Amino acid sequence: AQSVSQHNHHVILSEAASLELGCNYSYGGTVNLFWYVQYPGQHLQLLLKYFSGDPLVKGIKGFEAEFIKSKFSFNLRKPSVQWSDTAEYFCAVNDYGQNFVFGPGTRLSVLP
Amino acid sequence: NAGVTQTPKFQVLKTGQSMTLQCAQDMNHEYMSWYRQDPGMGLRLIHYSVGAGITDQGEVPNGYNVSRSTTEDFPLRLLSAAPSQTSVYFCASRPREGSYFSYEQYFGPGTRLTVT
Repeated sequence: AQSVSQHNHHVILSEAASLELGCNYSYGGTVNLFWYVQYPGQHLQLLLKYFSGDPLVKGIKGFEAEFIKSKFSFNLRKPSVQWSDTAEYFCAVNDYGQNFVFGPGTRLSVLP
Repeated sequence: NAGVTQTPKFQVLKTGQSMTLQCAQDMNHEYMSWYRQDPGMGLRLIHYSVGAGITDQGEVPNGYNVSRSTTEDFPLRLLSAAPSQTSVYFCASRPREGSYFSYEQYFGPGTRLTVT
């Protein structure tokens, strides 16, 4: 069965700091990869996705992620975080099947 | 378009009680699913449906029942609530793209359930 791990449970940064959240998955075949964000009190929203092609994908709000196939990784980055980025971030994979497997989530707190 | 709606937003149950969490979508999506979200465990799939009359189990189906009599509605039933079912429950839907379902999921706002 697939699994998804996220390196950090809780990350605390000051505004303008750079962000990198780690995500690794276990499936050896072709996968589609996603990052979702959940702002406090809100439902999950899609931040970005990777299907194929350029391994560096750009999403909304200045986020980007890099797919490294050899490392089974799909890390999320942002050069300069803002207080409004405070949220929980979930990595997810889909192996072209019906369903998704989500990681445990990383809580990001950005201090003003 | 209301998107995916869930009711209630909050619920407290006593052990052994039953209840139904409601989920509806007005986007004519064939695929609907239920997840539970627990701290440190992300979202885990409970049940899903690929169309009216068709349901299947996900990763953590025990203690939950579903049915899909219409495209719009996908209720989740807890037959005899247990404290281990304390969680936040999210419903999601996906549109069809040709022969497959889109990878874009539309989530509802969630139901926070506490079982005492």
